[in-house]
Amino acid sequence: EAQVTQNPRYLITVTGKKLTVTCSQNMNHEYMSWYRQDPGLGLRQIYYSMNVEVTDKGDVPEGYKVSRKEKRNFPLILESPSPNQTSLYFCASSRKGQASYEQYFGPGTRLTVT
Amino acid sequence: AQRVTQPEKLLSVFKGAPVELKCNYSYSGSPELFWYVQYSRQRLQLLLRHISRESIKGFTADLNKGETSFHLKKPFAQEEDSAMYYCALTLRTGGGADGLTFGKGTHLIIQP
Repeated sequence: EAQVTQNPRYLITVTGKKLTVTCSQNMNHEYMSWYRQDPGLGLRQIYYSMNVEVTDKGDVPEGYKVSRKEKRNFPLILESPSPNQTSLYFCASSRKGQASYEQYFGPGTRLTVT
Repeated sequence: AQRVTQPEKLLSVFKGAPVELKCNYSYSGSPELFWYVQYSRQRLQLLLRHISRESIKGFTADLNKGETSFHLKKPFAQEEDSAMYYCALTLRTGGGADGLTFGKGTHLIIQP
């Protein structure tokens, strides 16, 4: 089954404790992206990657890091989480180069930073 | 920078009534526009895209470049349409796409 998976689905952590949220897709998609969803703010893009070893900042990259060493994986790293990073995070992937593409979203990771 | 505006945070209509979810965008080029939907406890998924000119689940959306709008419409709402709806825009550079810019979303509630 074609899908995007994220782990963990729920995470409660404390300020300053490094964490990684994994994202994996099995559709051989070139493009992957991370979003955060907050009430009243909708979805905002954090980082995206056009292909292996190619990453770019989205609209709200501060406090986050990503890496794209393999095509299927795109982990989101919070080196020193803070309470304002409490949010619902979505990973997405899509093919690149099509005239009109569809992003496939993961199930989301709910992160709480205390 | 591109921007997507959904003026209504919440829209409540009765079953069988027409629905229109508004979306306006600002971008000087030729963007591609989408509607994504998120049903309760489900992941975000594509509903329709302007380039396909399709009707999905009875919903249609027409791109109006003069008004820079991409409103989502359905003539007769059904209870299962209750969900969060996001309008999104993407730019195309070099044949690819840089990503999606989302509006803040409209929560559609269909009352029985």
